[in-house]
Amino acid sequence: GAVVSQHPSWVICKSGTSVKIECRSLDFQATTMFWYRQFPKQSLMLMATSNEGSKATYEQGVEKDKFLINHASLTLSTLTVTSAHPEDSSFYICSARGTSGPIHEQYFGPGTRLTVT
Amino acid sequence: GQSLEQPSEVTAVEGAIVQINCTYQTSGFYGLSWYQQHDGGAPTFLSYNALDGLEETGRFSSFLSRSDSYGYLLLQELQMKDSASYFCAVRDVGSQGNLIFGKGTKLSVKP
Repeated sequence: GAVVSQHPSWVICKSGTSVKIECRSLDFQATTMFWYRQFPKQSLMLMATSNEGSKATYEQGVEKDKFLINHASLTLSTLTVTSAHPEDSSFYICSARGTSGPIHEQYFGPGTRLTVT
Repeated sequence: GQSLEQPSEVTAVEGAIVQINCTYQTSGFYGLSWYQQHDGGAPTFLSYNALDGLEETGRFSSFLSRSDSYGYLLLQELQMKDSASYFCAVRDVGSQGNLIFGKGTKLSVKP
């Protein structure tokens, strides 16, 4: 099956700093990548959708200036959490959908656990 | 908008059968998916129903009734490793077609 990787798998940063999370589709080209956030014991909430070569589409309530998304190629999307605060501590998961194959299938990365101190 | 309802927790014993229900309200419908997520891990795709009826994949089966806006995931011959959260999801009718997830059902399998 299709593989999506995320790096780093976990990160601890100080309040006020920025953190970049990478999401890569390893064996397929992903025209669309989705970024989700999941708080403990809660569901996945979509933050934004990115398409290769265009600006990301953010969900209501998600600050686009705080969560910068770049989808520079068909295999890489990055999420940068700028000026991180403790309330940004969460599990961030990316998901990718390929250019071919079943449209209903989204492939998820292993997630990045961010802790802001 | 889209919304999905599923039980928050289910407990069963090894070897048993468990059914996790999901009801949905959508402005459009492109099928119902099921995902499994172990603690600290990423969701993994289990099954997808676009049409009414039962889809079987090994010990897991998924059912859909579009007229009732209802589906379920059936897990048979439960094993301890099946302890996880299970999410039903529908695809957003918007152009991006992202998945919208239910709140998840935490399944605990006891010996």
